[in-house]
Amino acid sequence: DQQVKQNSPSLSVQEGRISILNCDYTNSMFDYFLWYKKYPAEGPTFLISISSIKDKNEDGRFTVFLNKSAKHLSLHIVPSQPGDSAVYFCAASAPYSGGGADGLTFGKGTHLIIQP
Amino acid sequence: KAGVTQTPRYLIKTRGQQVTLSCSPISGHRSVSWYQQTPGQGLQFLFEYFSETQRNKGNFPGRFSGRQFSNSRSEMNVSTLELGDSALYLCASSPGGLAAYEQFFGPGTRLTVL
Repeated sequence: DQQVKQNSPSLSVQEGRISILNCDYTNSMFDYFLWYKKYPAEGPTFLISISSIKDKNEDGRFTVFLNKSAKHLSLHIVPSQPGDSAVYFCAASAPYSGGGADGLTFGKGTHLIIQP
Repeated sequence: KAGVTQTPRYLIKTRGQQVTLSCSPISGHRSVSWYQQTPGQGLQFLFEYFSETQRNKGNFPGRFSGRQFSNSRSEMNVSTLELGDSALYLCASSPGGLAAYEQFFGPGTRLTVL
């Protein structure tokens, strides 16, 4: 059972426009959400995160929105640039009773293609 | 600061063999986690080590094991390799402590089992 779902395997956006990547989750214990970007042959790179006590977090061109009632989060990239072309993973974490956080649970990723 | 390093980057083994992968975390990071990435299952959490102790474990068989040394470096071992173990194995480190949410990944070790 997939606890973190990214329903769009790929997304094509024109350069300069807004890219919106979506993610849904089912586990109500998740309290921290992260977005990672991955290029081929490299490990995922941390992009932005949000705690469940917030509904928005912004960092430059990247904004993450969290809708807890809908168990939905989205990543907005404005404006989109060619270097943004990559696979984007949504990840979530729950508190771990032994201290620290549970391992990250990842979605299967969305391949974002920025077209010139 | 140097990032997370993993060795080797590529590995080819045959069924039934065992393999050991190595990970050096970012300096000062005490938590090391391991993930398996396959095309079908995506990124899946294997286990996490903190201060030389396994603190958390994913849903993988006992053939997958790991350890962490006093300098926070970690190794992962897979025994009796199966074809399905072919994957990219990623190591991630974080400062650790009570919250270990933001993890920084290495480039991975690509394991091919023939």
